[in-house]
Amino acid sequence: DGGITQSPKYLFRKEGQNVTLSCEQNLNHDAMYWYRQDPGQGLRLIYYSQIVNDFQKGDIAEGYSVSREKKESFPLTVTSAQKNPTAFYLCASRLKSGGYEQFFGPGTRLTVL
Amino acid sequence: AQSVAQPEDQVNVAEGNPLTVKCTYSVSGNPYLFWYVQYPNRGLQFLLKYITGDNLVKGSYGFEAEFNKSQTSFHLKKPSALVSDSALYFCAVRGPGLLTGGGNKLTFGTGTQLKVEL
Repeated sequence: DGGITQSPKYLFRKEGQNVTLSCEQNLNHDAMYWYRQDPGQGLRLIYYSQIVNDFQKGDIAEGYSVSREKKESFPLTVTSAQKNPTAFYLCASRLKSGGYEQFFGPGTRLTVL
Repeated sequence: AQSVAQPEDQVNVAEGNPLTVKCTYSVSGNPYLFWYVQYPNRGLQFLLKYITGDNLVKGSYGFEAEFNKSQTSFHLKKPSALVSDSALYFCAVRGPGLLTGGGNKLTFGTGTQLKVEL
């Protein structure tokens, strides 16, 4: 899992609550990504950021929000508008001058009660 | 848009036998291809990539992959499987870069569960 940390490892949320998932990297990587993983569906991109103070929607951004105020940090907020938030969330980062591979954190499992 | 297909949900192989996990892709332009492995409740670990050059790419833990442009395939292989290789394997393809409006995003397949038995 390298120098990418995600917290918490497990998160429980009541319906109607917003929650924020943390992602921090000490790899000096420029780009950061958030994915959602559901059984049998692979990984789907939620949001990504190429540089500080800039980010773009991925394929399933509805009900999520992000910020990129520091190079090292890319928190993801799962809002009450996300209709089915129970999933495994993965953060990744990439060095822009590198070979395009992304490096992943250990993940956060979110369960809505 | 780019896409990846992993036609097998699960592959079973006996320890010591060779293994193959299949992947086919669709992308405009030159393909940049990747393999990742995921153990239960963990993040993805990078195994290997194809950018250009030799069609046989060697990666971590004895894995290799063969790029075949005519068949648009990038199959993952290992000459002798270990029980510890049992995991979920993902193939991915890079999308367009910044100059063409993309974000160097990776598109992942749905994954193939590899089970290596004694």
